[in-house]
Amino acid sequence: DTEVTQTPKHLVMGMTNKKSLKCEQHMGHRAMYWYKQKAKKPPELMFVYSYEKLSINESVPSRFSPECPNSSLLNLHLHALQPEDSALYLCASSQVDGKPGQPQHFGDGTRLSIL
Amino acid sequence: GQQVMQIPQYQHVQEGEDFTTYCNSSTTLSNIQWYKQRPGGHPVFLIQLVKSGEVKKQKRLTFQFGEAKKNSSLHITATQTTDVGTYFCADLTTDSWGKLQFGAGTQVVVTP
Repeated sequence: DTEVTQTPKHLVMGMTNKKSLKCEQHMGHRAMYWYKQKAKKPPELMFVYSYEKLSINESVPSRFSPECPNSSLLNLHLHALQPEDSALYLCASSQVDGKPGQPQHFGDGTRLSIL
Repeated sequence: GQQVMQIPQYQHVQEGEDFTTYCNSSTTLSNIQWYKQRPGGHPVFLIQLVKSGEVKKQKRLTFQFGEAKKNSSLHITATQTTDVGTYFCADLTTDSWGKLQFGAGTQVVVTP
């Protein structure tokens, strides 16, 4: 069982739709991450939140909008996506103790298909 | 940015055999984390190596960090069907906090 919960598990949406991906963790981790993973490829970092503040944006297109409402929740708002955005979207979390290199705990992901 | 090269891309192993996957960089790595992703699953943290020449063992898995901190390896002995999956090494970049640079991964298929 994963300690990072992502919903929904699967999402099919049209290019004009607006939807949101949700991620929740109750491990007390203060760093949360969004990754995009295409088939047979490694995860690619999209965003990092540290203490609910956006600390890294890997030049992600504005059609992806992250939000961290509190220390346990992370959302990814989607709008006007393109077919090439179809992928597995993974959320992860880790401790923050003043030094980098903490293990990241991943959720099961949301498999997104854009029609 | 720094790239981490991982070889081989695919590894077919007979059950009971040993194999090794390698992670190489042209520049010094800060630290290396290894993750395993089962088919249809999510990455799961295995180990972190920080010190030059470090060796860590987890049952049948042996992880090494090179003396120059430019390479790392994962060696699995007596492969079992439960070892199926993709093994990723990931370097923690020093320019941005918490940013992992994943290698391309080694996809392991085990033949009974």
